[in-house]
Amino acid sequence: AQKITQTQPGMFVQEKEAVTLDCTYDTSDPSYGLFWYKQPSSGEMIFLIYQGSYDQQNATEGRYSLNFQKARKSANLVISASQLGDSAMYFCAMREGNINFGNEKLTFGTGTRLTIIP
Amino acid sequence: KAGVTQTPRYLIKTRGQQVTLSCSPISGHRSVSWYQQTPGQGLQFLFEYFSETQRNKGNFPGRFSGRQFSNSRSEMNVSTLELGDSALYLCASSSAGLAGVGSSYEQYFGPGTRLTVT
Repeated sequence: AQKITQTQPGMFVQEKEAVTLDCTYDTSDPSYGLFWYKQPSSGEMIFLIYQGSYDQQNATEGRYSLNFQKARKSANLVISASQLGDSAMYFCAMREGNINFGNEKLTFGTGTRLTIIP
Repeated sequence: KAGVTQTPRYLIKTRGQQVTLSCSPISGHRSVSWYQQTPGQGLQFLFEYFSETQRNKGNFPGRFSGRQFSNSRSEMNVSTLELGDSALYLCASSSAGLAGVGSSYEQYFGPGTRLTVT
């Protein structure tokens, strides 16, 4: 089974609209973390937001918020008031494992290509 | 604060050769992680080094190895190159790595080294 699933390969959104990028995950670890990264055409990965499995509140960072639904194992990224500069690939990733066993790792989804239309 | 630097940015090698890639993390960061990005397999975790020790390892063959120096700079080596090793290799630094808490989970990525194997 896929550890991280991003079901939207591509999305087109009108500028200034809000957009939700879907991410579901699969893990049996009680302690894990979920990340969202942005990768513009330049190739550099940019950290956007992080949610820990024990965090009570949904994470927010400026225009980015993470809609964390633990029971449904989903961690959707919400971008409010989209801008042209938001056009990029977006990756959801999950940290899991136990450092004592040396098996901590970050697993990425296949990404969603977001295009903002003026 | 200088960002993560990776050298070289582009590399062309022949099948069977070996290659060494370098990553200089942000000053003060002790964790360096390496990732391989290909169109077919997406982003995959290679390994993480923390304070000169490999702390975590992904599912890659032994041809992929790395090391970290006392100044936290890291090198990744791939021996006996195969055509399938053609990829963008990204490194990321963080203060505490995957085992960190709070904001120390944040990983800063370098621009990557694009390796082409012919």
